[in-house]
Amino acid sequence: DSGVTQTPKHLITATGQRVTLRCSPRSGDLSVYWYQQSLDQGLQFLIQYYNGEERAKGNILERFSAQQFPDLHSELNLSSLELGDSALYFCASTPQSGLSGNTIYFGEGSWLTVV
Amino acid sequence: GESVGLHLPTLSVQEGDNSIINCAYSNSASDYFIWYKQESGKGPQFIIDIRSNMDKRQGQRVTVLLNKTVKHLSLQIAATQPGDSAVYFCAENGGRIGADGLTFGKGTHLIIQP
Repeated sequence: DSGVTQTPKHLITATGQRVTLRCSPRSGDLSVYWYQQSLDQGLQFLIQYYNGEERAKGNILERFSAQQFPDLHSELNLSSLELGDSALYFCASTPQSGLSGNTIYFGEGSWLTVV
Repeated sequence: GESVGLHLPTLSVQEGDNSIINCAYSNSASDYFIWYKQESGKGPQFIIDIRSNMDKRQGQRVTVLLNKTVKHLSLQIAATQPGDSAVYFCAENGGRIGADGLTFGKGTHLIIQP
């Protein structure tokens, strides 16, 4: 158990809909990362938050957004969903904003299926 | 663009044998590398990391070798066990401090034969 908690574990929704994925980082970790994993693209970095503020952006679509709350949990919002958004979405956390000798720890992921 | 790739998508080894998983990277700025293990239905799990000022690092039953000259990384697993069956990813940092700079390979599926 990495200590990173994600909900829901599985989600099935229709095209055009909006979903919210939730992540609780490891106790004490200030930095949260969101990744998307699909069969054809592998593990892709989406966005990072550090202590409530956006720190870095990767290949995140404009239809997607995220935020980190004062209690450090984070939510990833996916809207106007398309079939191609079906993937595993992982949250990861580190104590600091960068690696600095600390690896990132991944949650178990949220499996999103868009039908 | 720069990418990290794995030479073999699937590797099958006998239980008890040693296994070697290879990874080629192309970003010469990368100075930090990580190996992850992902079991079915689970998130990537940290195995071992190495910085570019080292060429070898050992953990419990695992060894990572780094050859910066040819931009090659390998993960050696000694005396493989059934629990080692998983997909293994290498990742490089692209010379950046934050994990946002990590680039992951597509993964090698390690299968342990009884």
